[in-house]
Formats: sequence, C-alpha cells, structure tokens
Amino acid sequence: ELKVEQNPLFLSMQEGKNYTIYCNYSTTSDRLYWYRQDPGKSLESLFVLLSNGAVKQEGRLMASLDTKARLSTLHITAAVHDLSATYFCAVGSMNRDDKIIFGKGTRLHILP
Amino acid sequence: DGGITQSPKYLFRKEGQNVTLSCEQNLNHDAMYWYRQDPGQGLRLIYYSQIVNDFQKGDIAEGYSVSREKKESFPLTVTSAQKNPTAFYLCASTPLGWGNQPQHFGDGTRLSIL
Repeated sequence: ELKVEQNPLFLSMQEGKNYTIYCNYSTTSDRLYWYRQDPGKSLESLFVLLSNGAVKQEGRLMASLDTKARLSTLHITAAVHDLSATYFCAVGSMNRDDKIIFGKGTRLHILP
Repeated sequence: DGGITQSPKYLFRKEGQNVTLSCEQNLNHDAMYWYRQDPGQGLRLIYYSQIVNDFQKGDIAEGYSVSREKKESFPLTVTSAQKNPTAFYLCASTPLGWGNQPQHFGDGTRLSIL
C-alpha cells in the first residue's frame, strides 16, 4: 500500500533563510507532484517530477526526486513572506489505476 | 475558460440527511477524484473514476457514494451513515494516462453539520 510521509509538518522560519521539506513514499512510483495551498483555498500545482534525478525550479522553490531512495525534497531559498502556505507532495500509484496519495502537508510560516 | 466547478461553496447538513456535492469539469478529462480535507490535515481520497459508469473506492469511502453518468460530472453524496462529515471537500480531474500533468482542482465545498 502506498503511503506518503512529509516532514516537518510545521515550519516557522525567518525571511532570508533556506530550508528543505522532505517527502518520503513507501512503494515504487514514477510520478511525484508538489502543490501549494493557501488558507481556505484550493490546491495550486507547483512541480511535476517524473524521473530519477529530476530537478525543477521556479523562483525560490526547487524540487528534486530520488526514486531509488523514494524521496523528494522541496528546497526554499532566501524565504520571503509570500511563500507562507501549506505545501503538499503527492505520489502516483505504479498500478496505473491513476490513484494519487497525498502527504499530510507542511505548513510553512515565514516571519518578516 | 476550462476548469472544474464545485458547488455549492458552503453546505450545511442536518442530522440524518443526505447531501450531494456537485463537481463539473469542461477540460475533457477522463479521470475525476473526490478528496476530503480536515483542518490541518492532508487530502484523503474518497472515490475516483477513470471512465464513465465506473468508479473505485479510495481510502475513506464509507458513508459516501458517487456516480459517473457523464464524463464531465462526478457528484458526491454524503450519506447519513457518515457520522463526521464536517470537512473541506475537493474535486480534481486529469486526462487518462496523465503522468506528466498535475491534477486540476476545483475551489472546494465546505460542509458543516447544523
């Protein structure tokens, strides 16, 4: 059974600092997704990672995937207040049943 | 503009009542999903459907029912058997065989008990 674990679940950090959110998953998968959710809102897609070693960057966010370790990271560089949100990783089942399982999310609070 | 429309935005349920949440998409996507989100929690899969007239249970299907009579529509009924229905419900869709594309989400329906 596919399980997805994120850590930390809550992160409070100062503006200008760097930090990394981790996403571990329990069974082999070839597709991993990162989403952002603002309070009371829906989910916004950030990155799609499909192969071992994939790295994608958008502004101060960079995501990477290690399929052998079953690990993805979301790295925040020189954080700014606007990045405060909850970040979810989601992993696709290899059964090709189109099932997607989400982690519990990391609530990121960036202090000015 | 293409997208997913969920309605209503807010819904209140009385004891013993069934309520239905609507999800419509005009993206021509094959697969559709319902997730439940509790405060401070991640998304848990309730039901999903890959094609019309077929759907599968997710991890927390008990107390819920769905139908998929049309490609663009995937309504979710929260039955009276669901004893703790208060949550934020999100509908999503994707094209079939969609690995390189993320799920598209609706704006959600917030359900509360009266």
